[in-house]
Amino acid sequence: DTAVSQTPKYLVTQMGNDKSIKCEQNLGHDTMYWYKQDSKKFLKIMFSYNNKELIINETVPNRFSPKSPDKAHLNLHINSLELGDSAVYFCASTRGPGRNTEAFFGQGTRLTVV
Amino acid sequence: DQQVKQNSPSLSVQEGRISILNCDYTNSMFDYFLWYKKYPAEGPTFLISISSIKDKNEDGRFTVFLNKSAKHLSLHIVPSQPGDSAVYFCAASAGGSNYKLTFGKGTLLTVNP
Repeated sequence: DTAVSQTPKYLVTQMGNDKSIKCEQNLGHDTMYWYKQDSKKFLKIMFSYNNKELIINETVPNRFSPKSPDKAHLNLHINSLELGDSAVYFCASTRGPGRNTEAFFGQGTRLTVV
Repeated sequence: DQQVKQNSPSLSVQEGRISILNCDYTNSMFDYFLWYKKYPAEGPTFLISISSIKDKNEDGRFTVFLNKSAKHLSLHIVPSQPGDSAVYFCAASAGGSNYKLTFGKGTLLTVNP
């Protein structure tokens, strides 16, 4: 039973489209995250939610909008997709927003914009 | 601006030998460090961590060493096994209530039988 699961695993779409990636965790964690791994292989944080409240919002274009309907789910909606959005997006969760707690990651969603 | 640097993109070792993966950081505010392991088409999985109040943490075959004055940490794997072949990411976080990891680019470790 997967702890952090993302759907879809692969997503190929055309420029200008709108797409969503879904994430669910069954660990009972309070905090969830979206990370982006770009072509240079860096994993960078995008957003974090704690109990459905946005607590981290890095300098991400407004076209990216996270939504957390409950603390077990964190979805990522992307409007007007651009070529540069092609990357692997990882969802993660931790027990809480504080430190000293390991993050559990999903398997990633490889987004390709053509 | 790379605050966490893993300068070796790859490392190859023989089974049974020691693997040493290195990581340097520039942000003096970092005080908690982690290593993650990643297999292809999977998400990173937590391996081991160390707080800045320590200089060593050991868990089975894995040991992390922290040299705060040099802003350097290393992961030692002894003995290395073929199943250890993966990409290893170094990550760091700074004090504060919000948990944000800053990752390095990763080092691909290949353990040859």
